[in-house]
Amino acid sequence: EAQVTQNPRYLITVTGKKLTVTCSQNMNHEYMSWYRQDPGLGLRQIYYSMNVEVTDKGDVPEGYKVSRKEKRNFPLILESPSPNQTSLYFCASNPLTGLNTEAFFGQGTRLTVV
Amino acid sequence: KQEVTQIPAALSVPEGENLVLNCSFTDSAIYNLQWFRQDPGKGLTSLLLIQSSQREQTSGRLNASLDKSSGRSTLYIAASQPGDSATYLCAVRYNAGNMLTFGGGTRLMVKP
Repeated sequence: EAQVTQNPRYLITVTGKKLTVTCSQNMNHEYMSWYRQDPGLGLRQIYYSMNVEVTDKGDVPEGYKVSRKEKRNFPLILESPSPNQTSLYFCASNPLTGLNTEAFFGQGTRLTVV
Repeated sequence: KQEVTQIPAALSVPEGENLVLNCSFTDSAIYNLQWFRQDPGKGLTSLLLIQSSQREQTSGRLNASLDKSSGRSTLYIAASQPGDSATYLCAVRYNAGNMLTFGGGTRLMVKP
């Protein structure tokens, strides 16, 4: 089954404690990205990757890091989380070319930073 | 700035009604448009993808149309059911990049 898998689904952490949210896709998609969803602000892109070792900032990259060492994985790293990073996070992937460039989303990670 | 707008923000209808959700975008140079469904606190489920060269797509009781010249897309839901209650999001992928620009969503409630 084609899917994007995020872990963990829920996470409560304290300010300043480094954390990583993992994302993996099994569709061999080149493009992967991270979004955060906040009430009243909708979904906004944090970082994206066009392929292995190619990453770039989205609209709201401050406070986040990413890496793309393998095509299937795209972890999101919060080096020093702060309460304003409390949000619902989504990982997504899609092919860059072809007839069907449908984007697939993970189930989301609800992060609370206290 | 490329924006995507969904009106209304919330909609309540009785079961069985046919309904239309609206999505408008400011730049006609789109690559594709995708409609998603999101249940409370859950992930995004892709409903329909319309490529820029297409006018509409259908899946079961859902039909999505695209009019690039007017910057509009509609999602038509036939014979609505309580299980259709969710937030519906449209997202545009513009030619200039690969990021999806999302609308704010329409929260739909279908009453039995």
